[in-house]
Amino acid sequence: DAGVIQSPRHEVTEMGQEVTLRCKPISGHDYLFWYRQTMMRGLELLIYFNNNVPIDDSGMPEDRFSAKMPNASFSTLKIQPSEPRDSAVYFCASSRDMGWPQHFGDGTRLSIL
Amino acid sequence: RKEVEQDPGPFNVPEGATVAFNCTYSNSASQSFFWYRQDCRKEPKLLMSVYSSGNEDGRFTAQLNRASQYISLLIRDSKLSDSATYLCVVNIYNTNAGKSTFGDGTTLTVKP
Repeated sequence: DAGVIQSPRHEVTEMGQEVTLRCKPISGHDYLFWYRQTMMRGLELLIYFNNNVPIDDSGMPEDRFSAKMPNASFSTLKIQPSEPRDSAVYFCASSRDMGWPQHFGDGTRLSIL
Repeated sequence: RKEVEQDPGPFNVPEGATVAFNCTYSNSASQSFFWYRQDCRKEPKLLMSVYSSGNEDGRFTAQLNRASQYISLLIRDSKLSDSATYLCVVNIYNTNAGKSTFGDGTTLTVKP
């Protein structure tokens, strides 16, 4: 079975540009999570969805960040406008149910210049 | 106090050594527990679930102590390839929602 698929793998863009990260969860998994990881702050949960509905977005840093899940097989995380401090690795993960283990995608390495 | 705490290490051990990591959690209602492994510049990967009765997978043993609110990971006969960061995860959940908290990780370096 295919794992969690994220795109792009790498993104380098200039400050102020819009960035869109994409994620396809494992089929049959009802939960989808977006994380950000940096050396300074470790792994931070940004938002998670249950059956395409956002449940907890308390980790989203500010209004520049938004996430959507239009259907069970696709989610986006958008940053507009981007800033250098947004540079990080962004992971998407999915799980069959809350309490089950999460499976991570390869991540998107984002650099904002 | 953090909800989930791990000794960051680093743990530097020789090949063949036995090494143990602990992870403490603050919420006694926590329900499920996991250990993940993360290699440098890679995604976290599930290493093993942690069951109340303890569980073993080859050289790896995971245990849960609910009374003292910690989980542990024991690695026997450590290999160079075990060098990585080990993250513990603690979950609390009900029917529709919950919280999954990752520790900051413990770094292990196994040396020849």
